[in-house]
Parts: sequence; C-alpha cells; structure tokens
Amino acid sequence: QLQLQESGPGLVKPSETLSLTCLVSGDSIFSYNTYWGWIRQPPGKGLEWIGSVFDSRTNYYNPSLGSRVTISVDTSKNQLHLTVYSVTAADTAVYFCARRRRYFGFDPWGQGTLVIVSS
Amino acid sequence: DIQMTQSPSSLSASVGDRITVTCRSSQDINTYLAWYQQKPGKVPKLLVSGASSLHSGVPSKFSGSGSGTDFILTISNLQPEDFATYYCQQYNSYPLTFGGGTKVEI
Repeated sequence: QLQLQESGPGLVKPSETLSLTCLVSGDSIFSYNTYWGWIRQPPGKGLEWIGSVFDSRTNYYNPSLGSRVTISVDTSKNQLHLTVYSVTAADTAVYFCARRRRYFGFDPWGQGTLVIVSS
Repeated sequence: DIQMTQSPSSLSASVGDRITVTCRSSQDINTYLAWYQQKPGKVPKLLVSGASSLHSGVPSKFSGSGSGTDFILTISNLQPEDFATYYCQQYNSYPLTFGGGTKVEI
C-alpha cells in the first residue's frame, strides 16, 4: 500500500530556508506516468499547488512562488524533497506531498506537516 | 493561469438532502478536473477524477459531471460524515489550480 510521510522542521525563521522530505513507501518514485507533488494549505485557508516532478527529472513549479522553490528526488532513498528559500510569514502552512497519476487527481496524500515561519 | 471558481463558498444543508457544488474554470479544461473532500484537520481525499469518474472506494452517492468550463459535484442523501469542505482542481495545464472550496455545514 502506497504511503507518503512528510518530515522536516516545524519552525523556520523569516528569510531562512525551509526544507521538507517526503518518504514514499509502497511504490517507486520512478513509476510510469506518475507525478509527485507538493501542495500547501495556510491555516484556515484553501489548497495551493507548489510544484511537481515527473519522471524524476522534469519539474513544474507554481509561478506564484517565483524562483524560491526547488523540488528534487532522491531515487536511492525513494524520497521527494522540497526547498523554499527566503521564507516569510506567508509561507506558514501545512505542507502535503502527494502522488498524481496522469489523468487523475492527487491520491494518496501524506498526512501533512505544519511549518510555522516566525522569529 | 486557469482560475477555478467554486460556488457557493458555503452552504447549509440537512441530513438526507441532495446538494450540488459548482466549479467554473476560466478556460476550457476538457474534463481534467478532480474533486476532493477535506474534513477539519484531515488530509484531502480524492473523490472524482476526469470530472465524472469516481475514485476507488468512493460511495456512489457522490457524482461529478461537466466538461469544458462548468462542473458540478452532487452529493445525495447527505449524511453527518459528508459535512466537510469540497475543493475542485484542474490538471489540464500548469500551474495546477484549486478552487477556493465549498464548506458544507449542517
């Protein structure tokens, strides 16, 4: 059974870098026609797609985050990584990783990890 | 970017009701639309892909329809466990975008 588990620091200072890891178990991160993505949700607000990686090397990012975001894959560990640079309070959110098969929505999702940006 | 607009943003309903949630895209997205259910403090759960295909394990009380720019999620025989926030999401083109959500309350 496919499971995703996010991990990372729960508190990041403004202007610093947020780094999260998503451990994928039960499926290969090389799976055919599969995208691995990050989505976030500020407290009390809606969902925002951050970016996705396809085939371990093709990245898609939300322009709203500009060049502050990098998504990478560690194929040896079957992990997905998210890096957000120069964070501000607006980056405070629950961060989810999720799988999306081509022609389908995101499923499953990790349980999410809350990241608070505060000094 | 494709904007996804959901209406209403919230609605009140009773157990046993049939409700509809509407999602409109700013551009033609064919049927590349998904619906999710999210309960407070929980992970979003995929209900529908391809605008009308129920995800595995989702009860048939949920149904999706539409294509192009106008989509509907219908929930029949509303039960207490259906009170949640529902989101639509387009995956026709990048950036992927979500609707603002529809909160279904008792």
